[in-house]
Amino acid sequence: EVQLVESGGGLVQPGGSLRLSCAASGFSFRIYWMSWVRQAPGKRLEWVANIKQDGSERYYVDSVRGRFTISRDNANNSVSLQMNSLRAEDSAVYYCTRDSGGRAFDLWGQGTVVTVSS
Amino acid sequence: DIQMTQSPSSVSAAVGDSVTITCRASQGINSWLAWYQQKPGKAPNLLIYLASRLQSGVPSRFSGSGSGTDFALTITSLQPEDFATYFCQQANTFPSTFGQGTKLEIK
Repeated sequence: EVQLVESGGGLVQPGGSLRLSCAASGFSFRIYWMSWVRQAPGKRLEWVANIKQDGSERYYVDSVRGRFTISRDNANNSVSLQMNSLRAEDSAVYYCTRDSGGRAFDLWGQGTVVTVSS
Repeated sequence: DIQMTQSPSSVSAAVGDSVTITCRASQGINSWLAWYQQKPGKAPNLLIYLASRLQSGVPSRFSGSGSGTDFALTITSLQPEDFATYFCQQANTFPSTFGQGTKLEIK
């Protein structure tokens, strides 16, 4: 089955760290760009970061640059998001997504919830 | 960043009706626009990409149009499973950005 499965979400205090993981299966993971997209309660979707097929290029939205790091392991078909210096405004459902040739996100995981609160 | 504005924010329609949702970009994005459907508690699902191309497996009652700054998603012959929230997304200019969503409710 073609799917993405996220893990690693949870409750963390402001200033803390969390590492999200995404396991891909059922498709040729190494040929796709991968992204993380988040959605805060009642808010619009927000693209967070993406990574090229071989990991040589990585891009971030301004609000997380310098705090978040995206990485991938093509041998194990996984992508991760290391989140440091977390803030309340980082609280959201985080989705792992596959980037299609049309620059759209054609496969989504079920999401993992991150809550930043004291 | 490019601002994506959808209208209306919510719309009511009956099963069998047709509905059109629009999305306006704050600057031209060529045809780099996608539409997604999201149901409560679920991840978004890609419907349309490159403004008018139907994603594999999506029913043909969904169609997209537009280019430049103005785009539309039309759903004909609404089915019960179509009542959900719809988002547009631009992918022309970094960073990719989304509209605020349009909630389609049953009348």
